[in-house]
Parts: sequence; structure tokens; C-alpha cells
Amino acid sequence: EAGVAQSPRYKIIEKRQSVAFWCNPISGHATLYWYQQILGQGPKLLIQFQNNGVVDDSQLPKDRFSAERLKGVDSTLKIQPAKLEDSAVYLCASSWTSGSSYNEQFFGPGTRLTVL
Amino acid sequence: QKEVEQNSGPLSVPEGAIASLNCTYSDRGSQSFFWYRQYSGKSPELIMFIYSNGDKEDGRFTAQLNKASQYVSLLIRDSQPSDSATYLCAVNSNNAGNMLTFGGGTRLMVKP
Repeated sequence: EAGVAQSPRYKIIEKRQSVAFWCNPISGHATLYWYQQILGQGPKLLIQFQNNGVVDDSQLPKDRFSAERLKGVDSTLKIQPAKLEDSAVYLCASSWTSGSSYNEQFFGPGTRLTVL
Repeated sequence: QKEVEQNSGPLSVPEGAIASLNCTYSDRGSQSFFWYRQYSGKSPELIMFIYSNGDKEDGRFTAQLNKASQYVSLLIRDSQPSDSATYLCAVNSNNAGNMLTFGGGTRLMVKP
């Protein structure tokens, strides 16, 4: 079974530039998550999709971050404009559903973003 | 604000010893609890989850849950150098989306 795919793996940009990350979840997984993991911290949930609908985006900085999952499969996370504090690893995860308390979330390899 | 707290470490144990990793959480409504392992530069991977008070064993790993004390722990028996990683505690508060709140992780170092 193929895992969660993410691209690019690394990205370096100047502050105020824009950047986009792509995620393709495990086939058949209805729920997709985007996390931000700052060095030395645990992952912080930015947004959760169930199919192509948003379940929660309460921690997404909506003035600069946006995400979509138009066809309920792959997803894009965008930052525009980037700030220095956005430097982090952006992890995408997926699970079969969000309807159970015991869902295992499978994580992709992450995109390491450096904002200069 | 739901919080999950872990000692950042590093926790250093000799090879073959028992490593004990601890986690406390603030939301009494939390229903299920997960331990993830994250090697340096890699993504988290699930080790085990627990949802009932008491112990749950899986090989060398034992998760312990005490909901009254809002405390969950992970014991690693016969620790190996390959167990050296950051261990993340995650809590599901059984909200509508079953979202996870992660702690900051404990870095474990197993010395040969």
C-alpha cells in the first residue's frame, strides 16, 4: 500500500513570497490533515478535511494560509505571504475516516520550509 | 485551550533498561490516547493507542492510562539504541472531528 505522498520535500523562500505544498493521501482515506511542526515542538493541526469538506480550521491563520481539497483526494496548502515564523515542517496525514476515536493517522514525509 | 504536556528530555537510559515516558492532559473529556514515535528528520509513526484505564501491552511497549489523574505513560522494556527517538503523546477529545492534540514530545536516548 502506497503511503501519503508530499511534495516538495524542501523549500526555501524569502519572506513575503508565496509557497504551495501538495499532498496525496493513502487511497481510500476520507480524512486528510495538515499539521505544522516547528522544530522542537509537536505537530499542530492546521486544518482537517473529511472528503472535500472542512471539519476544522480553527488554528489555520486564514489571513495568510489557505487549503483546498477540491475533489476529495489530494490537497494543496498555500502560504501567501510567508513570514519568518512560518519556517517549519508541514506534515500531511490521512486516515480512513474521522468518525471514530481510534483512527490511526498515517503521516507523509513532510515538507521542510525555510523562510529567509 | 486543550493542553498535552510532556517533559522534553532528553531522557537517557542504558541499553536493556526500562524507559518511562509520561504525559498529562487538561481535557477531562478526552477519550483516546496515542503514542507516536518520531525519528530525527522523519514523520511520526503510531506505536499504540489506549482508551481504557489500566495497562495495554504490545511487545516491549506498555501504555498506561489513568483518567482520574489525567495521566498517560509509555513504558519501553529492554530499551535498544534503535528506540532513540522523540515520543509524542496525542490526545483525542472525542470532538466532532476526532482531532488529535499533540504534546511537545520527549526525546529518548538509549546508550549502548
